[in-house]
Amino acid sequence: GAVVSQHPSWVICKSGTSVKIECRSLDFQATTMFWYRQFPKQSLMLMATSNEGSKATYEQGVEKDKFLINHASLTLSTLTVTSAHPEDSSFYICSAQKGNGNQPQHFGDGTRLSIL
Amino acid sequence: DQQVKQNSPSLSVQEGRISILNCDYTNSMFDYFLWYKKYPAEGPTFLISISSIKDKNEDGRFTVFLNKSAKHLSLHIVPSQPGDSAVYFCAARGSGGSNYKLTFGKGTLLTVNP
Repeated sequence: GAVVSQHPSWVICKSGTSVKIECRSLDFQATTMFWYRQFPKQSLMLMATSNEGSKATYEQGVEKDKFLINHASLTLSTLTVTSAHPEDSSFYICSAQKGNGNQPQHFGDGTRLSIL
Repeated sequence: DQQVKQNSPSLSVQEGRISILNCDYTNSMFDYFLWYKKYPAEGPTFLISISSIKDKNEDGRFTVFLNKSAKHLSLHIVPSQPGDSAVYFCAARGSGGSNYKLTFGKGTLLTVNP
């Protein structure tokens, strides 16, 4: 199997606080993990690619100081939304790839973030 | 510029019939294509993929067809079941070393009616 667990599944917090989201590959090691954001009725937009032991690669337009990514082990990547504001409210989804080459990404169940 | 396009936002099919979901792409560097199924408030679930060296891949009720010259792929589900009702995303990935980024279409909502 290829199971990816994402936690928490739902967060509501006040504006100005920081929120950490965890993404774990439960039954495989993932050198590369990905963080996406999905707006209502829109596609998944890649935010950043997270590589174990190195800095994340951010997509154009994504603030790296706003969305801190840490990939400290082959089974865990975290996304921290710093000083969150209402416009950061969204559905955040992580994925992990099992190996190199033509392998699918396997997704977590997402985190619904609501900033009041 | 949308490199992966799913032009039908929705599709309704009768149970037992065939569902055909379409996807077009513009980037000729894409060489690996995937279909994902997604329920509301959940992450996408991988269904089936195809490499550009093939034109067909089959897995149970799911078959993906790739027409490279037309830059078009389709997902066939037969027979369709009510549990197949979900949003289906087409995704593509380019070649190029360790670049495993996926580009997604906007999705097609499939409704299978009993």
